Parts: sequence; C-alpha cells; structure tokens
Amino acid sequence: DAGVIQSPRHEVTEMGQEVTLRCKPISGHDYLFWYRQTMMRGLELLIYFNNNVPIDDSGMPEDRFSAKMPNASFSTLKIQPSEPRDSAVYFCASSFGGKTEAFFGQGTRLTVV
Amino acid sequence: GENVEQHPSTLSVQEGDSAVIKCTYSDSASNYFPWYKQELGKGPQLIIDIRSNVGEKKDQRIAVTLNKTAKHFSLHITETQPEDSAVYFCAAPTGANNLFFGTGTRLTVIP
Repeated sequence: DAGVIQSPRHEVTEMGQEVTLRCKPISGHDYLFWYRQTMMRGLELLIYFNNNVPIDDSGMPEDRFSAKMPNASFSTLKIQPSEPRDSAVYFCASSFGGKTEAFFGQGTRLTVV
Repeated sequence: GENVEQHPSTLSVQEGDSAVIKCTYSDSASNYFPWYKQELGKGPQLIIDIRSNVGEKKDQRIAVTLNKTAKHFSLHITETQPEDSAVYFCAAPTGANNLFFGTGTRLTVIP
C-alpha cells in the first residue's frame, strides 16, 4: 500500500477563496482523522470518521470548515471562505481501530494570502 | 477528556548521549501510549508504543516507560545519532476513539 495519500502537497490561495484538501486513506482502515498543525497550537484534531460516518467534529474551528467522506477510500476537507489564519499544515491520518497506530499522510501546506 | 503535557519543548544533546522526553496524561482510563517522530516536511510516524499492561518496552535504541500510578510515560533514546534529530510527539487516547497529542519536543543531536 502506498500509505495515506494527500493532495495537493502545497496550496496557495487568496483570502475568500474556497479550498479543498483531499485524502485517500489506507485500504481497509476504518478510521480517518483530519489534523491541523501550527507552531502556536501544535497538532489539533479537527474531525474524525468511523466507517465513513463523522463521529466528532468538535475540533472544527467554525462553520467555514466542512469535511466529507463519501466512501471508504476518499475524504475531503473544505474551507470556504478561506482566511489568512487558516494557514497551516493539514494532515490526514487513518487507522484500523481508533486507539491504535495512526498512519499520517505527507500533509498539505496551506497558505492563505 | 484527556490532556497530555510534554516536556521539554526543545532538547539538544551531543551525538552518542541519551535523550529523554516526558509526558503526563490526565485520564486514568487511558491504556495506549504511542510516540511519533516527525521529520521536516513529513507527517508524524509511529516509532514505538506501549499499552498499560506493561511498564517498559524496548526497540533497539528506543525505549518507552510507563508509570500508571503517576500517569506519566517517557521516551528514551540511547546512543543518539544525527538522524534522530526531529520533532517527537507523545499521545494518549481520549475517551472517544482518537488520540490527543502532546505539544512536541524538538530534538537536536549535535555531531
């Protein structure tokens, strides 16, 4: 397996634009997590899914953020409209079972100017 | 819910010396404690983990110890090498099925 695949690796966008981050989890994994990493706040869990169903989205900063998982092999994190403070590295991770090893993707570095 | 505190935030050691990173957790029901290593430009990667039924686990130069009574666990790296330089994160499970991460320790091994 190629591991967790995220795209794009880098995204630069203007404030107010819509941004969509994509993730392909490892085949067979039943949990998918979206994290945001910044210098100030470290690794923050935004939302996670179990069997494609959102379980906890309490980490989503505000209504501008949304996430979907239409099937077991694909998830998106959308920010609309984007703001400069959304600039961060966004990681997707997947695991088989929730309290086990989480495999992280390479991340998407988002810059909102 | 779970809260994890990690210390120190930065650590510099001479090549060949040992490095120790410590974490404390709040939820006494937590039973799984992983350590992740994050290299520049990459996602965190699991390097070792321990479950609450053991007090210590070793994998070559890396070891993790767990003190359930005091609710803390530590990462020990012996005979450090320059390639050990990275950011290390501890984590503990929340009441739900996900992990709460510490704030990270930037380890620098000086050749």
